[in-house]
Amino acid sequence: AQSVTQPDIHITVSEGASLELRCNYSYGATPYLFWYVQSPGQGLQLLLKYFSGDTLVQGIKGFEAEFKRSQSSFNLRKPSVHWSDAAEYFCAVVGSGGGADGLTFGKGTHLIIQP
Amino acid sequence: DVKVTQSSRYLVKRTGEKVFLECVQDMDHENMFWYRQDPGLGLRLIYFSYDVKMKEKGDIPEGYSVSREKKERFSLILESASTNQTSMYLCASSLQGGNEQFFGPGTRLTVL
Repeated sequence: AQSVTQPDIHITVSEGASLELRCNYSYGATPYLFWYVQSPGQGLQLLLKYFSGDTLVQGIKGFEAEFKRSQSSFNLRKPSVHWSDAAEYFCAVVGSGGGADGLTFGKGTHLIIQP
Repeated sequence: DVKVTQSSRYLVKRTGEKVFLECVQDMDHENMFWYRQDPGLGLRLIYFSYDVKMKEKGDIPEGYSVSREKKERFSLILESASTNQTSMYLCASSLQGGNEQFFGPGTRLTVL
């Protein structure tokens, strides 16, 4: 069965500092990978996705993520965080087989921005 | 833009009541999903549907059922609500399996 691990429950970063959120996945075949963000009281918004091709993917709001098959990782990065980036971040995986499968989510990382 | 709407943002029900959560998407997506979100547990898949009148169990279907009579609408039903079903419920849709899912704003359900 597929699984996603986000090792950090909470991360605190100073405004303007760089950010890296970790995500490790377990999946037997080629996965599709996603990062979603959830602001308080809101639904999930897609930040970026990896299906194939270039392993460094760019997303919205200045985020990027790198797929590393050898490490089964898909870490999210941002060079300089803004106070508005404070939110919950979820990594997710689904199989690329084309079936209508639900996403498997990590438990999330809560990002706190210090002024 | 894809829009996924959910009938209520907040809902309070009593134990034993039958509860309907409605979800509508406006982009002709084939697939629709129901998740519940709990602190420290992330999102867990309850049920999904890949076509009208078709449904598949997700990871935690116990205590829930679903209905999809029209392509754009996917309902989650709690036959007899219990306090352990107090949660945030999120609906999502996608064009086909493996593609990104678009989420609604969520319904926060409290069962007293």
